[in-house]
Amino acid sequence: EVQLVESGGGLVQPGGSLRLSCAASGFTFSNYWMSWVRQAPGKGLEWVANIKQDGSETYYVDSVNEKYYGDSVKGRFTISRDNARNSLYLQMNSLKADDTAIYYCARGPLKGDAFDMWGQGTMVIVSS
Amino acid sequence: QSALTQPASVSGSPGQSITISCTGTSSAVGGYNFVSWYQHHPGKAPKLIIYQISNRPSGISNRFSGSKSGNTASLTISGLQAEDEADYYCSSYTSSSPYVFGTGTKVTVV
Repeated sequence: EVQLVESGGGLVQPGGSLRLSCAASGFTFSNYWMSWVRQAPGKGLEWVANIKQDGSETYYVDSVNEKYYGDSVKGRFTISRDNARNSLYLQMNSLKADDTAIYYCARGPLKGDAFDMWGQGTMVIVSS
Repeated sequence: QSALTQPASVSGSPGQSITISCTGTSSAVGGYNFVSWYQHHPGKAPKLIIYQISNRPSGISNRFSGSKSGNTASLTISGLQAEDEADYYCSSYTSSSPYVFGTGTKVTVV
């Protein structure tokens, strides 16, 4: 069965850090771009970051300026992967209240910028 | 690029057809054929139901269909069923950010 399972969410104080993990199974993980997408409470989906199959390229959202950047401008989040462990990660530093959301691991983009498989998500709450 | 605009809610009776719109600009939706649609039952994993405007992934019912006209994409659900009650999101490539989602539409089967 093709599956993505996120973990690592929880309650963290503003300014703190968390590392999210996503365990992939049922497909050849190293063949796919992978992404993180989040959903703040009561809000819609927001793409956060993605990473190429071999980890050589990463891209991040910039919600304020509505731009996206290559890995020369990583901001507070860093996406990474370990193909030997079939795992995707998101290191989140300097967390803010606005980062409170369910974080989903998603396979893709592919098929014309679509995400064809998602996990059930892990909740991150940033609060004092 | 701001979120794509969708109606907040759409409702229909079992067996009816409903259409959800997704409005962008010429730099999103209108300028590209990279429009996707996702079904999301809260608490569960979102599911891709349409990609590249009108293509269905394997295993997705042909009751779901997609189209695009100008800067607006549409998702039609025909033969509405109780299990279709969920949130639906469109997504498009844009010139400023590659993956922008719509505001989301709650579908209610009445």
